[in-house]
Amino acid sequence: QVQLVQSGAEVKKPGSSVKVSCKTSGGIFNSYTLNWVRQAPGQGLEWMGGITPMFGSANYAQKFQGRVTISADESTSTVYMELNSLRSEDTAVYYCAREGSGAGSYMDWFDPWGQGTLVTVSS
Amino acid sequence: DIVLTQSPDSLAVSLGERATISCKSSQNVLYSSNNKNYLAWYQQKPGQPPKLLLYWASTRDSGVPDRFSGRGSGTDFTLTISSLQAEDVAVYYCQQYYSTPPTFGQGTKLEIK
Repeated sequence: QVQLVQSGAEVKKPGSSVKVSCKTSGGIFNSYTLNWVRQAPGQGLEWMGGITPMFGSANYAQKFQGRVTISADESTSTVYMELNSLRSEDTAVYYCAREGSGAGSYMDWFDPWGQGTLVTVSS
Repeated sequence: DIVLTQSPDSLAVSLGERATISCKSSQNVLYSSNNKNYLAWYQQKPGQPPKLLLYWASTRDSGVPDRFSGRGSGTDFTLTISSLQAEDVAVYYCQQYYSTPPTFGQGTKLEIK
């Protein structure tokens, strides 16, 4: 059974950066697209971007272009999401989620999901 | 980007009764080459990540009770819970994966009346 385990909660100052990790186990790592989705307090779900490790390059939502970097470490089956120039509006739970079908595509549903990482941006 | 609009925003239904949630897409999400609707439904309970219920608009994920069903095609979709159970209290989201970026509806909060 595939599991995604994320790093712990973070508290950051405005203007700083945060890097969240998502370690996968129990399945094939390279050929599945891994995505990052965030959820602000009491709000809905927002896709930030994703990466298919075997292809290497990441794909980002236009809103986050230039401010987010998604990377993968095949040796540890871990995906990372780094968000820079943090502001209070970035306070949210950040989820990693694997594509469901294994086609290595962004045209897919999300399953499973990590447990979520709360990032709080506050001065 | 494709905009998904769910209705209602919140819904209160009695135990054992039917609950229906609508999801309308700003663009067609039916892929003509395979005749599949690129739409999924999720259930999210407080403090938990979303859980996949349905994909291809109507295919239940493994282990999802058959009281959950999905219908629709093109731009109009519905999620139906045929007989509401207490454990179904949650927020429900639709998601399109027809085009990048994948987008979600704003969510529908389902409560017990």
